[in-house]
Amino acid sequence: AQSVTQLGSHVSVSEGALVLLRCNYSSSVPPYLFWYVQYPNQGLQLLLKYTSAATLVKGINGFEAEFKKSETSFHLTKPSAHMSDAAEYFCAVSLNRDDKIIFGKGTRLHILP
Amino acid sequence: GAVVSQHPSWVICKSGTSVKIECRSLDFQATTMFWYRQFPKQSLMLMATSNEGSKATYEQGVEKDKFLINHASLTLSTLTVTSAHPEDSSFYICSAPVGQPGRTDYEQYFGPGTRLTVT
Repeated sequence: AQSVTQLGSHVSVSEGALVLLRCNYSSSVPPYLFWYVQYPNQGLQLLLKYTSAATLVKGINGFEAEFKKSETSFHLTKPSAHMSDAAEYFCAVSLNRDDKIIFGKGTRLHILP
Repeated sequence: GAVVSQHPSWVICKSGTSVKIECRSLDFQATTMFWYRQFPKQSLMLMATSNEGSKATYEQGVEKDKFLINHASLTLSTLTVTSAHPEDSSFYICSAPVGQPGRTDYEQYFGPGTRLTVT
């Protein structure tokens, strides 16, 4: 069965600093991978997704993620953090032919002024 | 992009009563919808897959008699929490996919969630 592990339930970065949120996946077949963001008391918004095309995926709000098969990782990065980036971030996985999405436990990103 | 709505956005009910949550795809048809629950400061846990015109598929450990799912049309799925108890208090989120799995245009759209509080 597929799964994702997010390292660090809380991450704090200073405004303007690099954001790095870690995600490792486990899947028996090539996976689809996603990053979602959730603001308080709201639903989820898709940041970006990997669908077996380019390994470096660019998303909204300046975020990007790189699929590394050798490391089974899909870490999320942003060069310069903004206060508005403070939110909960979820890494997720699904199989190519199965549209169920399995979520990681989430990482809360705090932005320090 | 596609829009998924949920109603109500929040509901308070008394222990032992039932409450219905609606999930609608506003500008597209969805033969499949998904229901998740999210406890405070935790991740989303898939509860069930709602299939239009047929029975829902429940994840292991989810009581199908307690969480009744009806997918009566291509734009509406409902989740009814029967005989609710305080431990059922949670944030319930639905999603609906657009496109075909395995294709680059495939994406799931999530509703804004329904916060259920059982007193």
